[in-house]
Amino acid sequence: QSALTQPRSVSGSPGQSVAISCTGTSSDVGGYNYVSWYQQHPGKAPKLMISDVNKRPSGVPDRFSGSKSGNTASLTISGLQAEDEADYYCCSFAGSLYVFGTGTKVTVL
Amino acid sequence: EVQLVESGGGLVQPGGSLRLSCAASGFTFSSLWMSWVRQAPGKGLEWLANMNQDGSEKNYVDSVKGRFTISRDNAKNSVYLQMNSLRDEDTAVYYCARFRSYDMDVWGQGTTVTVSS
Repeated sequence: QSALTQPRSVSGSPGQSVAISCTGTSSDVGGYNYVSWYQQHPGKAPKLMISDVNKRPSGVPDRFSGSKSGNTASLTISGLQAEDEADYYCCSFAGSLYVFGTGTKVTVL
Repeated sequence: EVQLVESGGGLVQPGGSLRLSCAASGFTFSSLWMSWVRQAPGKGLEWLANMNQDGSEKNYVDSVKGRFTISRDNAKNSVYLQMNSLRDEDTAVYYCARFRSYDMDVWGQGTTVTVSS
């Protein structure tokens, strides 16, 4: 039950695209199409941004997208906006359990 | 409005116990899995446990197995986390979250637990 691996930080200018990777194993990310992504602003509760690898819940802007290849999932934010500056966490089903990623701080320059 | 409100956090000595509560409203509580997640100060999210609709299935992360117990009362639209044998490293903000399929789509605001002598 080790945490999934994410880069500590990524940054981009407004309007640019950034991608956050989330690397696990065949027992979690690679074994199931149940990766979700959460956005967390300082002092706030997490917010679901992507479910089932690439599905956007109602109300989430379409500049957020998800994908997966093998044991690595990715979250891409296109057309970066100031309000996207936050921490982002991936989470994967791991066969009755769940495991979060280490978290990535997105900075808008 | 769909809402989850946690309560029960506070300061407790190492080895002590605490019971967290999470009151749900705005949705059919008895039809969904529920979960607890925590976040230590300055750290990332850690999934702790979840429970199915009637409480017949419970799952725990190894770090809390045998010390924490998740339970629910569908008549009161509430889910609980009984925490025993608390350690310094259990200090965190504890969130309850609603499970929708394989993700957590509604979160409470969190309740803070501090384990310290």
